[in-house]
Amino acid sequence: EVELVESGGGLVQPGGSLRLSCAASGFTFSSYYMHWVRLVSGKGLVWVSFISNDGRTTTYADSVKGRFTISRDNARNTLYLQMTSLRAEDTAVYYCARVVHGGYDNWGQGTLVTVSS
Amino acid sequence: DIVMTQSPVSLPVTPGEPASISCRSSESLLYSNGNTYFAWYLQKPGQSPQLLIYLGSNRASGVPDRFSGSGSGTDFTLKISRVEAEDVGVYYCMQTLQTPFTFGPGTRVDIK
Repeated sequence: EVELVESGGGLVQPGGSLRLSCAASGFTFSSYYMHWVRLVSGKGLVWVSFISNDGRTTTYADSVKGRFTISRDNARNTLYLQMTSLRAEDTAVYYCARVVHGGYDNWGQGTLVTVSS
Repeated sequence: DIVMTQSPVSLPVTPGEPASISCRSSESLLYSNGNTYFAWYLQKPGQSPQLLIYLGSNRASGVPDRFSGSGSGTDFTLKISRVEAEDVGVYYCMQTLQTPFTFGPGTRVDIK
């Protein structure tokens, strides 16, 4: 059974940093592109970033470019999102998701990031 | 950026009755390989989103056949043939044709 489990969320002050992890199991992690998507209260779902299966290609939403870094460790079956210079508007539930045929067929349970002083 | 719009914003439904949600994209989502990079998701209360429809009209694994997706180019529709109580939540459309990938604002479905 495919499983994605996020961790690393929490309360952080503006300007701070946080690293999210997404542990994958039940499938060949190294074969799939992976994405981060966030649910912003009152705004809905927002795409954040993706990484290719081999980690060589990454793309970011303009709102996080230069501040967030997506990476993966295929040996550990783990996806990461390093978040720096955090802002109040980064407050959200962050999901990792596996993409197949252009759709996210599996999502994690989400991890809450709150940026506040 | 491709802008996704949805209607209605809110949809009260009666169990056993049909329901329909529309989504429009600001550009065609048809790619040169013939695929349309459009999907529907449902986020039930307290749960992660789940994939309902991918590539425009393909039902995802485990999705009941009362859900169907149709449309092409820029106009898409999600239909529920007979709504059940478990179908409440927020429905999102999304395009993955080009980055930044974008979602619609969501349609909240609840029981009348």
